[in-house]
Amino acid sequence: GAGVSQSPRYKVAKRGQDVALRCDPISGHVSLFWYQQALGQGPEFLTYFQNEAQLDKSGLPSDRFFAERPEGSVSTLKIQRTQQEDSAVYLCASSSDGYTDTQYFGPGTRLTVL
Amino acid sequence: GNSVTQMEGPVTLSEEAFLTINCTYTATGYPSLFWYVQYPGEGLQLLLKATKADDKGSNKGFEATYRKETTSFHLEKGSVQVSDSAVYFCALRGGDQGGKLIFGQGTELSVKP
Repeated sequence: GAGVSQSPRYKVAKRGQDVALRCDPISGHVSLFWYQQALGQGPEFLTYFQNEAQLDKSGLPSDRFFAERPEGSVSTLKIQRTQQEDSAVYLCASSSDGYTDTQYFGPGTRLTVL
Repeated sequence: GNSVTQMEGPVTLSEEAFLTINCTYTATGYPSLFWYVQYPGEGLQLLLKATKADDKGSNKGFEATYRKETTSFHLEKGSVQVSDSAVYFCALRGGDQGGKLIFGQGTELSVKP
């Protein structure tokens, strides 16, 4: 595709609900990253995939957060039992090579937990 | 661990003024350094990058030089335009921490006509 796409762009959830956020990377990009951006802050790393392998999940804040990329293309970030502190913009980025190439960011999903 | 610190905003300038946004970093190994920009309503875009000491990244009139001796990567532009109004993020990619980016907190720039 022309760029990284994410859906939905906006999501409102009631506390305790589960949510799923989708990322479509640039076609052919091997590496995919998820970041969380709180209001007024810089993005913070959550997790990294190379193809379908999740190589780094050190940034996931709790076991309520789970990410997958089963076929090495589309990725889903799932948050179970959402809490108010989960409210943030969730950014996805892809690159042809996670170690050296430029990361291209999607527009993000703004999650608001009420 | 690795970290990035950038000057707090908001920064307000008049059109054609000189811009400096300070960025310093702490890192082990040999990081690559980046400036990303986020225009209103848009996603993060790479503005420029430098991958080794003394490299200068440049794009759209913006420049930044990788200074290992002062662990800095300050962003500069000689003459800003209203269209440069955005949030600017300094970031590093650590040589020993895989491909993840570590961002500063962002600096909002507002340019007035």
